[in-house]
Amino acid sequence: ELKVEQNPLFLSMQEGKNYTIYCNYSTTSDRLYWYRQDPGKSLESLFVLLSNGAVKQEGRLMASLDTKARLSTLHITAAVHDLSATYFCAVDIWSGTYKYIFGTGTRLKVLA
Amino acid sequence: DTGVSQDPRHKITKRGQNVTFRCDPISEHNRLYWYRQTLGQGPEFLTYFQNEAQLEKSRLLSDRFSAERPKGSFSTLEIQRTEQGDSAMYLCASSLVGGSEQFFGPGTRLTVL
Repeated sequence: ELKVEQNPLFLSMQEGKNYTIYCNYSTTSDRLYWYRQDPGKSLESLFVLLSNGAVKQEGRLMASLDTKARLSTLHITAAVHDLSATYFCAVDIWSGTYKYIFGTGTRLKVLA
Repeated sequence: DTGVSQDPRHKITKRGQNVTFRCDPISEHNRLYWYRQTLGQGPEFLTYFQNEAQLEKSRLLSDRFSAERPKGSFSTLEIQRTEQGDSAMYLCASSLVGGSEQFFGPGTRLTVL
């Protein structure tokens, strides 16, 4: 069964600190997406990673993809309160059609 | 606004009632997806259309659920005889071609009392 696992599930961190969220998946894919979701809201696209070794950065967030290890990371640098949200990775797989399989989500709380 | 739109944004209904949601994808996108997200979980794939053809349905989609995309443009998702377990956020997404980025709508939050 295809699994997409994130860890940690919950993360409480102080402002100014660095941390990494991990996304492991159990099947072959070279397309992975990161989304942010605020409470009660829809998904906001953060990063599109389309090949092995892809690295994207936007502000205090940086995402990378290692398709051989089936691992993506979302690194947070010098966290600020506004980054508090739930972060999902989604793997785009082919199983007759293309569809996203989402990770379990990481709920991030940045404390002032 | 040329993004994915969904209507209504919120729906409260009593158990046993039927509800219908609408999704308008980005106009040039021929692929349309429905996902369901329950509290504290990631979205789960429900079904997918390429143009007007429904090409895959998840086992999550019981026979009380039906989705259509009659002219390959907007789509509707109907839930018959709603149950409390149907309470969730229903997300619609569209993409240009298979394997390309999906763009999500704002979602319809369903509460079944």
